[in-house]
Amino acid sequence: DVKVTQSSRYLVKRTGEKVFLECVQDMDHENMFWYRQDPGLGLRLIYFSYDVKMKEKGDIPEGYSVSREKKERFSLILESASTNQTSMYLCASSLSGWVNGYTFGSGTRLTVV
Amino acid sequence: GQSLEQPSEVTAVEGAIVQINCTYQTSGFYGLSWYQQHDGGAPTFLSYNALDGLEETGRFSSFLSRSDSYGYLLLQELQMKDSASYFCAVRGGNAGNMLTFGGGTRLMVKP
Repeated sequence: DVKVTQSSRYLVKRTGEKVFLECVQDMDHENMFWYRQDPGLGLRLIYFSYDVKMKEKGDIPEGYSVSREKKERFSLILESASTNQTSMYLCASSLSGWVNGYTFGSGTRLTVV
Repeated sequence: GQSLEQPSEVTAVEGAIVQINCTYQTSGFYGLSWYQQHDGGAPTFLSYNALDGLEETGRFSSFLSRSDSYGYLLLQELQMKDSASYFCAVRGGNAGNMLTFGGGTRLMVKP
């Protein structure tokens, strides 16, 4: 089974801090994604990457950046954390074809105080 | 842009059939997916419809009508373990490489 691993399950950071969320997948998937999940809003796409060093903005990229230096790793960076970035962050990966969908990690619950 | 509408909550009894509807507006439609998420868990992939019609996988079926911008997830022989949130998601964007999710439907199965 494909495994998507997010480095932290829970994280508490202070306003203004630079925050790194790490995601690693072990099945050579081309595509990787970062979503945030908030009650009633579903999952909103922040950034995605379809190849090493490639990235594209999703629906809510403001305040975030990403890095994909290796195929298996996709990092989400909060340049200067703010309280409105308190959320559940979900990483996902997929093959180029869409039949088998995304595989999600277990999520990182980030609280910014 | 893209937007999806699905009911926020549905309640049904064990053994029953429930249908969760999803309507969408999107530029560049490639297909409709469904995901299940239990409380505290990760979303898991259930189905993907690129063409009109019904796809069946065990107790779950998914339907798509592209002309109506509409789809649904049908759950039969409901079990308590089916209590979860269900998300429809549209594959779209310029090259079909973006998945946009709806707000989710919380299904509660009662004994």
